[in-house]
Amino acid sequence: EAQVTQNPRYLITVTGKKLTVTCSQNMNHEYMSWYRQDPGLGLRQIYYSMNVEVTDKGDVPEGYKVSRKEKRNFPLILESPSPNQTSLYFCASAGGEKLFFGSGTQLSVL
Amino acid sequence: DAKTTQPNSMESNEEEPVHLPCNHSTISGTDYIHWYRQLPSQGPEYVIHGLTSNVNNRMASLAIAEDRKSSTLILHRATLRDAAVYYCIPQGAQKLVFGQGTRLTINP
Repeated sequence: EAQVTQNPRYLITVTGKKLTVTCSQNMNHEYMSWYRQDPGLGLRQIYYSMNVEVTDKGDVPEGYKVSRKEKRNFPLILESPSPNQTSLYFCASAGGEKLFFGSGTQLSVL
Repeated sequence: DAKTTQPNSMESNEEEPVHLPCNHSTISGTDYIHWYRQLPSQGPEYVIHGLTSNVNNRMASLAIAEDRKSSTLILHRATLRDAAVYYCIPQGAQKLVFGQGTRLTINP
């Protein structure tokens, strides 16, 4: 089944403790992206990647890192999480004009 | 980025058609019009997209105005499962900017 898989589904952490949210897709898509969703602000793009080893900032990249060492994986790294990064995160990949989203990761930073 | 205007919320009854409007008067000539929806506690889900002509798929129909400044997503026979937030996005897929969308409520 074609899908985008994110892990973990829920994560509670403390300020400053590095964490990684994984994202994997099995559709051989070149394009992948990370979004965060906050009440009243909608979905905002954090980073995107047009292909392996090619990444670029979205609208809200501060405090995040990404890497794209292989086509299927696009992890989101928070080196030193802060409470304002508490949010619902979605990974997506695109084939043509269609975006496929993962189920989301609810992150709480205390 | 093209600006969009959608109603904040709409309500309909089960098994009736639903017409969800979207205004995108600043759309560029090459941008597709995408519609996504987000069910509660899930990631956004692709619904349909089109450029100039009306489009149909198993989920919905998309009616695009001749001047492309507006479009309407048509759910032909709404079910309870169609209750979601619907986003109209007039851009290329790889730079989609999600606005607030329309929250659709379906009454049994």
